[in-house]
Amino acid sequence: EVQLVQSGAEVKKPGESLKISCEGSGYTFTISWIGWVRQMPGKGLEWMGSIYPGDSDTRYSPSFQGQVTISADKSISTAYLQWSSLKASDTAMYYCARGRVFWRDFDYWGQGTLVTVSS
Amino acid sequence: QSALTQPASVSGSPGQSITISCTGTSSDVGGYNYVSWYQQHPGKAPKLMIYDVFNRPSGVSNRFSGSKSGNTASLTISGLQTEDEADYYCSSYTSSSTLVFGGGTKLTVL
Repeated sequence: EVQLVQSGAEVKKPGESLKISCEGSGYTFTISWIGWVRQMPGKGLEWMGSIYPGDSDTRYSPSFQGQVTISADKSISTAYLQWSSLKASDTAMYYCARGRVFWRDFDYWGQGTLVTVSS
Repeated sequence: QSALTQPASVSGSPGQSITISCTGTSSDVGGYNYVSWYQQHPGKAPKLMIYDVFNRPSGVSNRFSGSKSGNTASLTISGLQTEDEADYYCSSYTSSSTLVFGGGTKLTVL
C-alpha cells in the first residue's frame, strides 16, 4: 500500500527556520516525483514545487522560487520542505503528494502538516 | 501564472447531475490534455478523481466524468449523492512546465 506520512504540526515564530518531512512507503520512492502543495486557511490549493528523488531534480513554482527549498534523501525515502526565515503568511497546511506522471497530477497524498507562524 | 477559473459554488439535489467548469488559457488547459480534478472533504487531503482530462483512477466511481473544449475543462458528477458534497479543484500542466490549480468549487448537495 502506497503511503506518504508527513511530520507533525509545527508552531513557530516569525524569522525562525523550519524543515518538514514526507516519508514514502509501499512503492519505489526514487522513481516518482514528489510535490508539495500549500493550502492557506480557508483557501485553495497551490503547487509549490516538485522533486525527483532519484536524482534530486527539482522544479519550483515561480511564486515559491527562492522562498522555500525542496530536497530529498532517497536513502530514507523522505522528501523535505524547508524555510530559512518564516513569515506569518507562511501559516498554512502543507501537503506532499506523489506524482502519477512527473508532476502533472498527484495520485497519493500525505495527511498534511499544519504550520502556524505567530509571534 | 494565474489560477484557473472555477465557479465558487454549485449545488444540486440527490440523483441530479452537476457540472463544474475550469477555464484557463491556451498555455495551460487549452494547450495540453493534462487536466486533473481533485475532491477534498473538510479536514482531509485532496483525492485524485480525474486525470488527463477524462481518465478515472482505479476505485473512483464512474459517476464522475471529465471533458474539455478549448480552454475550458469540465467535471460532471451524475447521480449526485450526499457524500459528493466537498470542494473540487481542477489543475493543469502549463507551458512553463509548472502546475496550476483552480480556485476551487464548493459543491453542496441539497
